[in-house]
Amino acid sequence: DADVTQTPRNRITKTGKRIMLECSQTKGHDRMYWYRQDPGLGLRLIYYSFDVKDINKGEISDGYSVSRQAQAKFSLSLESAIPNQTALYFCATSDFGLAGGPREETQYFGPGTRLLVL
Amino acid sequence: TQLLEQSPQFLSIQEGENLTVYCNSSSVFSSLQWYRQEPGEGPVLLVTVVTGGEVKKLKRLTFQFGDARKDSSLHITAAQPGDTGLYLCAGRRGGSYIPTFGRGTSLIVHP
Repeated sequence: DADVTQTPRNRITKTGKRIMLECSQTKGHDRMYWYRQDPGLGLRLIYYSFDVKDINKGEISDGYSVSRQAQAKFSLSLESAIPNQTALYFCATSDFGLAGGPREETQYFGPGTRLLVL
Repeated sequence: TQLLEQSPQFLSIQEGENLTVYCNSSSVFSSLQWYRQEPGEGPVLLVTVVTGGEVKKLKRLTFQFGDARKDSSLHITAAQPGDTGLYLCAGRRGGSYIPTFGRGTSLIVHP
């Protein structure tokens, strides 16, 4: 079974609709992240959470919100979807306290959600 | 301005050829990581380098961190179709937990 799962895997929605993307993990990691990936632009950080009570904005948070419902669950919402939010969205997790410290942390990615906003 | 510049952006080669992809910056990084992303999947970590001048090998893949910790390279020897994918570099500055990703190099290896 996958350690990081995302639902749905594919979603088509219309401009103005509110949608939620969900992420669950069984790795027991404290830190979770949401990224979007656009062709030729790499991965850009939307929001991240270092524990259940911690939420931080990333590089491109405008138009998005998140909820950390539990250590294992981190959801991303688009309050009013617009076409330029069409992208591939990834959830990732990482662990705190590895021997190498923060600079050697590995991020574990889910399989992605492909979102099309019409 | 992109903090991490990857080159080339696209690479299409025949099986058995060698290739090198680059990840460059004007900033110093405490670590540099390389991820590979296959179609329909999320990125998967290949390697982490943390010391200037460090070289790590993973089978046919050789990773190098520049002496000044501002750049890195990935060399693949005798590429195989299974090497096809998007290669992303990610760097961390100072004690940050948050990596910055480059835009990636898309590699296609033809049989």
